[in-house]
Amino acid sequence: QKEVEQDPGPLSVPEGAIVSLNCTYSNSAFQYFMWYRQYSRKGPELLMYTYSSGNKEDGRFTAQVDKSSKYISLFIRDSQPSDSATYLCAMTPNTGGFKTIFGAGTRLFVKA
Amino acid sequence: NAGVTQTPKFQVLKTGQSMTLQCAQDMNHNSMYWYRQDPGMGLRLIYYSASEGTTDKGEVPNGYNVSRLNKREFSLRLESAAPSQTSVYFCASSEFLPTGSGNTIYFGEGSWLTVV
Repeated sequence: QKEVEQDPGPLSVPEGAIVSLNCTYSNSAFQYFMWYRQYSRKGPELLMYTYSSGNKEDGRFTAQVDKSSKYISLFIRDSQPSDSATYLCAMTPNTGGFKTIFGAGTRLFVKA
Repeated sequence: NAGVTQTPKFQVLKTGQSMTLQCAQDMNHNSMYWYRQDPGMGLRLIYYSASEGTTDKGEVPNGYNVSRLNKREFSLRLESAAPSQTSVYFCASSEFLPTGSGNTIYFGEGSWLTVV
């Protein structure tokens, strides 16, 4: 079983829709949760980061962490064609060293 | 802003050939990484360098070697390429370890490697 599970999609939605992207994980030591966006033939770039449980909002994007369920989500409101990309979740335990684990990514297509 | 620059962008190798992927960052970051990305597998860490002069194995180090040439540069070498090493390779850097607590990982644009 992978430490981080993410549905690869693809997910296709019309412009203006609310998009929900999700990851589940098995390691309760994860404390930092991140979402990266990756456009085609480009490297991933950090979109949002949250610590422990709760919500964080940044413009049209909201990241949500439910540690009790080991479940994280990224919501995109008023989705735009420019949001079409692969979204990768990533998480890190609150320990030293380097143990960031990435999900496989969900491909999102927003149709105009 | 160059950020993380990696070369070459595309390469085709024959089985058994060797090659080196080059990476440089201009953000004065201490830590650098090499990942590979395969369909359905996500990003997997090959090697990382917490700081100049140190390197450590990641999740999938077999078949690879690395060199942290100086603070800016971190190269990845395939000594005897195998078809299983066909992948997209990303170099990345961050200010320091660990990469939680808002310490962002910055990625290069990727190197597409095919081994035939």
